[in-house]
Amino acid sequence: GAVVSQHPSWVICKSGTSVKIECRSLDFQATTMFWYRQFPKQSLMLMATSNEGSKATYEQGVEKDKFLINHASLTLSTLTVTSAHPEDSSFYICSARVADYNEQFFGPGTRLTVL
Amino acid sequence: GQQLNQSPQSMFIQEGEDVSMNCTSSSIFNTWLWYKQDPGEGPVLLIALYKAGELTSNGRLTAQFGITRKDSFLNISASIPSDVGIYFCAGTGNQFYFGTGTSLTVIP
Repeated sequence: GAVVSQHPSWVICKSGTSVKIECRSLDFQATTMFWYRQFPKQSLMLMATSNEGSKATYEQGVEKDKFLINHASLTLSTLTVTSAHPEDSSFYICSARVADYNEQFFGPGTRLTVL
Repeated sequence: GQQLNQSPQSMFIQEGEDVSMNCTSSSIFNTWLWYKQDPGEGPVLLIALYKAGELTSNGRLTAQFGITRKDSFLNISASIPSDVGIYFCAGTGNQFYFGTGTSLTVIP
């Protein structure tokens, strides 16, 4: 149980294009989903928290117009990197949490490379 | 946001040796979690601790929730090559905080 998937697992795009990453909880309903970014040899950095049906809460320094988050259902959240640039290249990981439980279950991550 | 301090930052050990790492915080937490991350993958939950003083095992892994609620440790006994990876602690109260990570290398 508690499986979270991400799609795509990797993507290469040209500078200026937008990329959408999906995060799904496969066998449970996630009231809250989180988006993280991870640079090589570093810990995960929380970008935003999204609750189903409401606007995402972004961490300080994360541009909400750049990283659009939609949490339209209890099993799906999407992160869209708009007008991507090479500095947006990173490993993006989502996680999901069930209401009243503290554990977060992580997806396998999406490697984004912007050329 | 806040990050929890993990030590050591990295470890190089011989196969068969035991491993110990810990995680400390200036804040108290209600839950301590330990994750392992393999290269190119997302973190996988290993152990969850819910009560101060709790000692929980999962196979060769043992973790404890410190009685002050500000720390936790993870032990791995008789390490094997597939234990290689980065181990993260996480603490939850009103929010979820990640540790800085401990990179483990097991030499066959």
